[in-house]
Amino acid sequence: SQTIHQWPATLVQPVGSPLSLECTVEGTSNPNLYWYRQAAGRGLQLLFYSVGIGQISSEVPQNLSASRPQDRQFILSSKKLLLSDSGFYLCAWRYKRGGDEQYFGPGTRLTVT
Amino acid sequence: SQKIEQNSEALNIQEGKTATLTCNYTNYSPAYLQWYRQDPGRGPVFLLLIRENEKEKRKERLKVTFDTTLKQSLFHITASQPADSATYLCAPYSSASKIIFGSGTRLSIRP
Repeated sequence: SQTIHQWPATLVQPVGSPLSLECTVEGTSNPNLYWYRQAAGRGLQLLFYSVGIGQISSEVPQNLSASRPQDRQFILSSKKLLLSDSGFYLCAWRYKRGGDEQYFGPGTRLTVT
Repeated sequence: SQKIEQNSEALNIQEGKTATLTCNYTNYSPAYLQWYRQDPGRGPVFLLLIRENEKEKRKERLKVTFDTTLKQSLFHITASQPADSATYLCAPYSSASKIIFGSGTRLSIRP
């Protein structure tokens, strides 16, 4: 069966510090991968998606970046965090064929102080 | 630009009644539309998918309709229970790569 992992589960970082969130998927190969952010009481905002190694599409211009160094690994990074980066970060994957649902990870709660 | 609208206000329903949630979209023609459930502090969980050539889809107490003319989907929970309380998200999409979600509707079922 497939599983998706995210870490860390919670993170408190000062403004201006770097960020690295990691997501890995097990039990499948060549998935589409996604990073979403959810601010408190708000909906899901698509940040990045990837259809393959090294292939990243950015949806929102901001101080975040994403990388996919391996088939089932997706990393979200920032060089300098802003207060507005606080939120709940969710990684998700789905099969490439159309019509299939997304499977979400447990999320990372990031608080920038 | 593509826009997805869901009731921003919370929906409060008496247990046993039918809850109906609305998802409207503009500026694109999705081939599929999905509904997810999200509990506080958790990632969304897939519930149902409906295709553009399907008018209605059912799963146990859940029913989804998809009207491509009105650009709207309705999500129904019949015989609602307090355990159905959660936020429900819709995700209409036409690209297999990019999936965007509505802001969600918070549903509260009171005993």
